[in-house]
Amino acid sequence: AQSVTQPDARVTVSEGASLQLRCKYSYSGTPYLFWYVQYPRQGLQLLLKYYSGDPVVQGVNGFEAEFSKSNSSFHLRKASVHWSDSAVYFCVLRTGGNNKLTFGQGTVLSVIP
Amino acid sequence: EAAVTQSPRNKVTVTGGNVTLSCRQTNSHNYMYWYRQDTGHGLRLIHYSYGAGNLQIGDVPDGYKATRTTQEDFFLLLELASPSQTSLYFCASSGLGGSEQYFGPGTRLTVL
Repeated sequence: AQSVTQPDARVTVSEGASLQLRCKYSYSGTPYLFWYVQYPRQGLQLLLKYYSGDPVVQGVNGFEAEFSKSNSSFHLRKASVHWSDSAVYFCVLRTGGNNKLTFGQGTVLSVIP
Repeated sequence: EAAVTQSPRNKVTVTGGNVTLSCRQTNSHNYMYWYRQDTGHGLRLIHYSYGAGNLQIGDVPDGYKATRTTQEDFFLLLELASPSQTSLYFCASSGLGGSEQYFGPGTRLTVL
């Protein structure tokens, strides 16, 4: 069965610092991977997605992620965070043709001004 | 911009109560989904649907029914609510071909 693990439940960084949120997946087939963000009291919004091709994908607001098949990972990065990036970030795996998603537990990001 | 709306945004009921959560999408999407979000679990899929009249069981279906009356409308039914169903519920929709899912703003349900 497929699974997604986000090993860091909470991450705190200072404004302007770089960021990496980790994601590991388990799936024997070809993974389709997403990062979603949930701002306080809002629904989830898509940051970026990876289907195939270049392993580094660009998203909104300066976020990017790198897919590694050998490491079964899809880490999210940002060069310089802003206080408004404080939110919950979910790594998500899509498997199969029915578009079902498997969510990681989420990482709460706090950016200190 | 894809649009998914949910009602009510907040609901309080008592144990054994009857609750209906509503979701409407105006994206002309075929797929619709109901999730619950609990601390430490991310989002977990309750039920989903391929189209009007279709219903598929998700990963945590116990205690929930769902009905897809039209392409736009998907309802989640709790006929005998229990405190364990206190949660934040999200509806989502997506098109064919495995495109990303678009989420509604959520409904916070409290069962006393």
